[in-house]
Amino acid sequence: AQSVTQLGSHVSVSEGALVLLRCNYSSSVPPYLFWYVQYPNQGLQLLLKYTSAATLVKGINGFEAEFKKSETSFHLTKPSAHMSDAAEYFCAVSESGGNNRLAFGKGNQVVVIP
Amino acid sequence: KAGVTQTPRYLIKTRGQQVTLSCSPISGHRSVSWYQQTPGQGLQFLFEYFSETQRNKGNFPGRFSGRQFSNSRSEMNVSTLELGDSALYLCASSPTLGGEQFFGPGTRLTVL
Repeated sequence: AQSVTQLGSHVSVSEGALVLLRCNYSSSVPPYLFWYVQYPNQGLQLLLKYTSAATLVKGINGFEAEFKKSETSFHLTKPSAHMSDAAEYFCAVSESGGNNRLAFGKGNQVVVIP
Repeated sequence: KAGVTQTPRYLIKTRGQQVTLSCSPISGHRSVSWYQQTPGQGLQFLFEYFSETQRNKGNFPGRFSGRQFSNSRSEMNVSTLELGDSALYLCASSPTLGGEQFFGPGTRLTVL
């Protein structure tokens, strides 16, 4: 079974500062990894995904994440936070090879301080 | 292309009733998955359908059921509603298995 751990339910970051959200996964098979963002009263929007190609993945809105197999991690970063980044962020894992079942972490609520 | 649509967007039911939620995937997408989102349990997988076949089912009681039609539209049904079924139910569609999933806005179910 796969699982994801996201620590720190609430993350505060100053506008213009680095955004760093940590994600560690557990999977018995090579994983596919995803970061999603959710704005209030909306569904989930895909930020980026790792599907066994390049380990450094660039996504939308200036976000990127690096897959580190040795650390079983897939941390999300953005060099400079913007007010519009305030949202909830979810890391998710699925099995590679044709499985759409996602296991999500608990999420990080990001607050951007002006 | 239109995105994933879910109807209704909001629903209020009482304990013991049953409810049916609908999901229309993006045109051409054959995979539909359902998730339940609650403050306490977070996002939990319910079912996955591909070409009208249920491929995966999450750890939910038998009161939760679903189906997919030949046009890829999907419905999920919850019978004998309990207070704990109050949640945001999200549907996601994908053109293939293992591909990117696109989420709808969700149906907010409140059970009184």
